[in-house]
Parts: sequence; C-alpha cells; structure tokens
Amino acid sequence: QKEVEQNSGPLSVPEGAIASLNCTYSDRGSQSFFWYRQYSGKSPELIMFIYSNGDKEDGRFTAQLNKASQYVSLLIRDSQPSDSATYLCAVITTGGFKTIFGAGTRLFVKA
Amino acid sequence: GAVVSQHPSWVICKSGTSVKIECRSLDFQATTMFWYRQFPKQSLMLMATSNEGSKATYEQGVEKDKFLINHASLTLSTLTVTSAHPEDSSFYICSASEVGRGVGEQYFGPGTRLTVT
Repeated sequence: QKEVEQNSGPLSVPEGAIASLNCTYSDRGSQSFFWYRQYSGKSPELIMFIYSNGDKEDGRFTAQLNKASQYVSLLIRDSQPSDSATYLCAVITTGGFKTIFGAGTRLFVKA
Repeated sequence: GAVVSQHPSWVICKSGTSVKIECRSLDFQATTMFWYRQFPKQSLMLMATSNEGSKATYEQGVEKDKFLINHASLTLSTLTVTSAHPEDSSFYICSASEVGRGVGEQYFGPGTRLTVT
C-alpha cells in the first residue's frame, strides 16, 4: 500500500463547478497535511495546509481532514480553466521529519 | 515572500561531465532544503534532504557519490550531478522550508531541466 494515495485522474469538470480531489494516507500518526498545485512543466506551489479535523477555507479552496478515516480532500469552488493542473497531496509522517507526496491528480476544467 | 530560486533553469551537458545546480531562498532562512527529481508525467521523487552545516540524508536508491549535496548556509544549497549520463536527464527541483515552520510547508524553486547528451 502506498503511503499517500491519490486518484491519478484526469478529473474533468465544467467551468463553474466544484472540483473534489481526494487523498488517503496510511500513517495514522500523521498530523500535517498539505495541498500543492503543479502546472505542466512547472514546479509545485503550496495552496493550503490543514492540521485539525474539519474544514479549512481559503478563498475558493476548502481543505477537509478526517483523521479517523485517514482522508484529506480539497474542494475547488467555481472552478476555472486556470485551475487545470496536477494537485499533489502531501503528508508529514509521524515524527515530523519527512514529507510524503502523493502521485497527484490531474484536474481539467472545461471552458 | 517565500521565494526560492534555482540556477540554471535548464542545462545541456555531455555524458561524463558534471553539472552543479544552485538553490537559494531569497527572502527567508531555510532550515531544511530538499532535492527532488521528476520524470515526465511522473510524481516528485525525493532524492535527499539537507540541513545547513550537516551532511545530507539521501533516500534509498539515490547514490550519494553521484549526487553531491552541499548546504553551505541557511540560504544556499547545491546539487552536483557527477559523471552525468543520459538517464540522469530529468527535471530537478529544490524546495526549502523556513526556520520555525514545519517541513511540510515547502516552497519550491522553479526547477532545472537537465539534458545529458
């Protein structure tokens, strides 16, 4: 079992819709969770981080964390074609020394 | 804030030569810097983690004698690919985490595209 799993996609949504990106992790002791966005040919950029169970909102982005289910998600409201990218989920393992990245989900927002 | 630069942005070299890539945190001090490699359409692969003033920690399967990492200061880390071969051609990306913040909050450089002919 991979330590951080994401559906590779592509996930295709129409412009204006909500895009839902999901991530599961295997280390039950993980405490910190991050979402990065990577455009093709570019390096990743940090979008959000979440540490506590529940929802965290930042503009059109909402991160959701459920530690009991070992599940973290990212919702993008009012999706725009410029949101088309690969979204990477990252988890800090128990002990806090290592960040594990998922393989990423490709999102395509259709105009 | 939190800007990381890399130099060069792309490089072409001949097989057998060495290439040095610089990673700098421009507006913050970096406790830890990370070096990743990414092949086309694949995810990031962590190569090594470096802390200022100490030896880098390499991931399993990464040859430390081939990929030399030096973290000379809180704002500069270098990766030297020694005796490069065509299979080393890849997108090399560094990232840095700021002093006082966790290692998950990483700021990435723009990457260096290496082509070995």
